[in-house]
Amino acid sequence: EAGVAQSPRYKIIEKRQSVAFWCNPISGHATLYWYQQILGQGPKLLIQFQNNGVVDDSQLPKDRFSAERLKGVDSTLKIQPAKLEDSAVYLCASSYGRQYEQYFGPGTRLTVT
Amino acid sequence: AQSVTQLDSQVPVFEEAPVELRCNYSSSVSVYLFWYVQYPNQGLQLLLKYLSGSTLVKGINGFEAEFNKSQTSFHLRKPSVHISDTAEYFCAVRLQGGSEKLVFGKGTKLTVNP
Repeated sequence: EAGVAQSPRYKIIEKRQSVAFWCNPISGHATLYWYQQILGQGPKLLIQFQNNGVVDDSQLPKDRFSAERLKGVDSTLKIQPAKLEDSAVYLCASSYGRQYEQYFGPGTRLTVT
Repeated sequence: AQSVTQLDSQVPVFEEAPVELRCNYSSSVSVYLFWYVQYPNQGLQLLLKYLSGSTLVKGINGFEAEFNKSQTSFHLRKPSVHISDTAEYFCAVRLQGGSEKLVFGKGTKLTVNP
């Protein structure tokens, strides 16, 4: 069974530029999560989808971050414009449902210069 | 709101020695408890979880953890570590009900030396 796929694996941009990350969850997983992991800290949930609806986006900085999950499968996370403090690893995870184990992708390491 | 405290940011040990990684949590409601491992440049992998039942939980790679409700702790242990256990370990809690989101601690970097 294929795992959670993410791309790109690495991205370097200048501040005020925009960037997008892509996630393909495990087939059949209804719940999809995006986490931000800043160096030296644990992952922090940015947004959680159930199928293509948002369950929790309370920690998403909505003035610059946006995410969508069209058709309830793939998802994209966008940052526009990026700030230096957005440098982090962005992890995507999926699960069969809210109460089931989350499986994590390898992450996208973003560096904002 | 719930929170997770991992008391040690770094733990160096020698190969074949025992290790304990400490985790305390606070929450006003019942939670589920998890330990994840993260190897360099990889995502997180579930080591073990406590949902209910026996307070001693066994996981993969010889790790185990004990849930202590009175002390609100969920410490991770391994009787004999290997070089390959070198990684970052994260304790996490999940609220029962609601969005069921995970809240992670800051992580403990375990370094196993020969």
